[in-house]
Amino acid sequence: EDQVTQSPEALRLQEGESSSLNCSYTVSGLRGLFWYRQDPGKGPEFLFTLYSAGEEKEKERLKATLTKKESFLHITAPKPEDSATYLCAVRVSGGFKTIFGAGTRLFVKA
Amino acid sequence: DSGVTQTPKHLITATGQRVTLRCSPRSGDLSVYWYQQSLDQGLQFLIQYYNGEERAKGNILERFSAQQFPDLHSELNLSSLELGDSALYFCASSVGGEGEKLFFGSGTQLSVL
Repeated sequence: EDQVTQSPEALRLQEGESSSLNCSYTVSGLRGLFWYRQDPGKGPEFLFTLYSAGEEKEKERLKATLTKKESFLHITAPKPEDSATYLCAVRVSGGFKTIFGAGTRLFVKA
Repeated sequence: DSGVTQTPKHLITATGQRVTLRCSPRSGDLSVYWYQQSLDQGLQFLIQYYNGEERAKGNILERFSAQQFPDLHSELNLSSLELGDSALYFCASSVGGEGEKLFFGSGTQLSVL
């Protein structure tokens, strides 16, 4: 069964304290891995797409990387406005489904 | 603003009732996806339509149904509602039908009392 697992469930950081979020996946065939950001009461907002192992994407303080079994979202020198839930999703081959992980809730304190 | 419009924003109803959630995709997007988000289940894929046709089905209950109209807007119908159906329902759209980059609406919060 296709599965996406994110860790940790929640992460509390001080402003400027860099860290990483993990997304591990078990799928029959990966057609793309996505990162989304979700603020309370809002819909997820697209951040990155990664397609193959070794690929990296960056946007401001965020950097996403991909291996054959997992992806990391690195947050460098976070600010309070980076506080949100970060969702990982995979698109699987053999169908047209995008499966989401449960997310990591990030809290950044000033 | 993602460009995806969902109505209503909030819906309060009773068990056994039927409701309809509406979604207008971004201009030019042919695919519409419906997701259910609850605290204990996360974001669960329900169903996808592409240019009016059903494309993929996820964990959608038989009491739920959806359709996409010629103008590409979509409706999700939930019937015989139960307490456990209370959740945030999101609609998303994309240009193609391959589940690539999704643009989400702000959701409909359904409360079944």
